[in-house]
Amino acid sequence: ELKVEQNPLFLSMQEGKNYTIYCNYSTTSDRLYWYRQDPGKSLESLFVLLSNGAVKQEGRLMASLDTKARLSTLHITAAVHDLSATYFCAVDMDSNYQLIWGAGTKLIIKP
Amino acid sequence: NAGVMQNPRHLVRRRGQEARLRCSPMKGHSHVYWYRQLPEEGLKFMVYLQKENIIDESGMPKERFSAEFPKEGPSILRIQQVVRGDSAAYFCASSSSYNSPLHFGNGTRLTVT
Repeated sequence: ELKVEQNPLFLSMQEGKNYTIYCNYSTTSDRLYWYRQDPGKSLESLFVLLSNGAVKQEGRLMASLDTKARLSTLHITAAVHDLSATYFCAVDMDSNYQLIWGAGTKLIIKP
Repeated sequence: NAGVMQNPRHLVRRRGQEARLRCSPMKGHSHVYWYRQLPEEGLKFMVYLQKENIIDESGMPKERFSAEFPKEGPSILRIQQVVRGDSAAYFCASSSSYNSPLHFGNGTRLTVT
């Protein structure tokens, strides 16, 4: 059974600091997704990582994928308050909709 | 260009009542997916539908839950005789074709009292 584990599950940090969220998964997979969810809102797609060594960056967020280690990271550079949200990673089994989701990392960035 | 529209945003039902959740996909999308999210957890796939067809319902509970996507109108997720354990956020997503990116709605938060 494919399992996806994120850590930490909760992170409180100061603005301006850097930090990394980790996503481990238990079996091979072709695609890994990162989503952002604001309280009471929907999920916003951030990144889709398709191959080993893939790295994608958008603003202060950078995601990478190591399929051999079955590990993805989401790195936050010089955090700002607007990045406060819950971040989910998800791994697909055979299709884009049968995703296995991590429990989410709740990120609070204090001004 | 409206995104995926779900209604209602919040729904309160007493145990034993029926809950109907609606989802209108993005314009041009004919594939609809329903997910459930329990507090502090990720999403769990429930069902995948195309117009008038259920493609994959492997995540649907065997009893009390049903889904449809008629030729006209929104997709409906129906939960009969709700129980407290049904309290969750239910998200709908749509896509233009199989394996193309999913677009999520804002969800319906169901509370069973």
